[in-house]
Amino acid sequence: GDSVTQMEGPVTLSEEAFLTINCTYTATGYPSLFWYVQYPGEGLQLLLKATKADDKGSNKGFEATYRKETTSFHLEKGSVQVSDSAVYFCALSDQDSNYQLIWGAGTKLIIKP
Amino acid sequence: DTGVSQNPRHKITKRGQNVTFRCDPISEHNRLYWYRQTLGQGPEFLTYFQNEAQLEKSRLLSDRFSAERPKGSFSTLEIQRTEQGDSAMYLCASSLGVRQHSYEQYFGPGTRLTVT
Repeated sequence: GDSVTQMEGPVTLSEEAFLTINCTYTATGYPSLFWYVQYPGEGLQLLLKATKADDKGSNKGFEATYRKETTSFHLEKGSVQVSDSAVYFCALSDQDSNYQLIWGAGTKLIIKP
Repeated sequence: DTGVSQNPRHKITKRGQNVTFRCDPISEHNRLYWYRQTLGQGPEFLTYFQNEAQLEKSRLLSDRFSAERPKGSFSTLEIQRTEQGDSAMYLCASSLGVRQHSYEQYFGPGTRLTVT
């Protein structure tokens, strides 16, 4: 079945550092891919999405490119801020999952000033 | 578009009591999902509705849990005879649905349940 694997955390960076959080997936079809963010004590927010190969999703300075050849959807940001500290979840949705979200385990990001 | 709302935001109850949570999805969204999330974990799927029809329920879900979406708008999740293991954040999400080819889900703020 479908699955999502993302790098374990926590990831600790200094402010203004470059961020990469790796995400790879397994799916038989052509899934849509998502990054969600959860700030402390809050619900999940859709950060960005990509629905087909080579699409780039972007929002709030974050980017992720749908790479079918490597089955990856890595999250990147050029210069992180303390306010980016949160848990980031990679997820996919496709026909095999009946369009339900299949989640990665989440990666906690800690940004130090 | 006011987003997905959930009530109450927090609920403290004693073991053995029944609790009910409400979710109001984004108005034009056909699909509504319930998840449970414990600290440090990702969301765990509980059930979902397409309009008023409950199409899937997690096999791991106890019979003490029941959900309804009577008119295809808001939904309620009831937990009967609560146990301490039910303590978690209960998340609701909605999406436009398959016909609109829009699969992303939008989440509410959650209801945090504490069973004492």
